[in-house]
This record gives sequence, structure tokens and C-alpha cells, in this order.
Amino acid sequence: EAGVAQSPRYKIIEKRQSVAFWCNPISGHATLYWYQQILGQGPKLLIQFQNNGVVDDSQLPKDRFSAERLKGVDSTLKIQPAKLEDSAVYLCASSSSSGLAGGNEQFFGPGTRLTVL
Amino acid sequence: GNSVTQMEGPVTLSEEAFLTINCTYTATGYPSLFWYVQYPGEGLQLLLKATKADDKGSNKGFEATYRKETTSFHLEKGSVQVSDSAVYFCALYNNNDMRFGAGTRLTVKP
Repeated sequence: EAGVAQSPRYKIIEKRQSVAFWCNPISGHATLYWYQQILGQGPKLLIQFQNNGVVDDSQLPKDRFSAERLKGVDSTLKIQPAKLEDSAVYLCASSSSSGLAGGNEQFFGPGTRLTVL
Repeated sequence: GNSVTQMEGPVTLSEEAFLTINCTYTATGYPSLFWYVQYPGEGLQLLLKATKADDKGSNKGFEATYRKETTSFHLEKGSVQVSDSAVYFCALYNNNDMRFGAGTRLTVKP
């Protein structure tokens, strides 16, 4: 079974530029998550999708971050314009239709390491 | 709100030593609790979980018990190996909110 795929693996941009990350979850997984992991910290949940609907985006900085999952499969996360403090690893994860309720496992992709100069 | 506090590292142990990594949480209701592990060069993966009070999660010789009275989920292993060197994250899930601790880096020396 293929895992969660993410691209690109690495990205370097200058501040005020825009950037987009792509994620393809495990086949059949209805729930998709985007996390931001700053160096030395644990992952921070940015947004959670159930199929193509947003379940929770309370920690997404909506003035510069946006995410979509139009067909309920793959997803993109965009930052526009980027700031220095956006330098982090952006992780995508997916889980089965019932999400994480009852302790269901989420499966993580390898992440995209973003450096903002 | 929901939050997780875990023991800061780094932790360095000799092979076959006993390991404890402390984790406490704050949450309303009954969260599910997890330990995730990140081995060098690899992605995050689930190590073990517990979904209700007094449940014990276990995997690969690691154990953690969901203690509601002390709001804790400490990770333990009786005899660590070099291959256990990794970063360990305590996490909780409650009402569509997933929270991770800051992570504890474990290094096991031969």
C-alpha cells in the first residue's frame, strides 16, 4: 500500500514570495491533515479535511495561508506572501473515514522542508 | 483548551537501561492519547495509543498507561536498544483537535 505522498521535498524562497505544497493521501482515506512543524517543536495542526469539506481550520493563519481539497483526494497548501517565521516542515497526514475518533491512526508523509530567506 | 506537556530532552541512555519519558495533558472530556516516534531520516509514525482511562498501550517493548487521575501518559521501556534512538512525541486528540508535545530526543549508546 502506497503511503502519503508529498511534493516538493524541499523549497527555498525569499520572503514575500508565494509557495504551494501538494499532498496525495493513502487511497481511500477520507480525512486529511496539514501540520506545520517548526524546528525543535511538535507538529501544529493547521487544517483538517473530511473528504472535500473543512472540519477545522482554527489554527490556520488565514491572512496568508490557504488550503483546498477540491475532489476529496489530493490537497494543496499555499502560503502567500511568505514570512521568515514560516520556515518549517509542512507535514501532510491522512486517516480513515472516521478520522481520529476512537484512536484511529493517522499516517504521515515525509514532509516538505520550507526555508524562507 | 487542549495541551500536552512532555519531558524535555535530550535524553541519553546506555543500552539496556530503563526509559521513562513523562507526558501530561490538559483536556476537557476524554481525549485519545498517543505516542508517535520519528526515527532519523524517517517520517512520524504511531508507536502506541490508548483511548480511555486505565488503558495500556504497548508496542515494540514500549508501554504507556492512560492515567486520568494524574492526567498523564508516561512512556516506558524496560531495556532500550541503540535502534530506539529517535524523537518521541506525546499527543492527544479531542473534539477534532490534535495536539503534540514538543518532542523528546532519545539517544541510546552501546
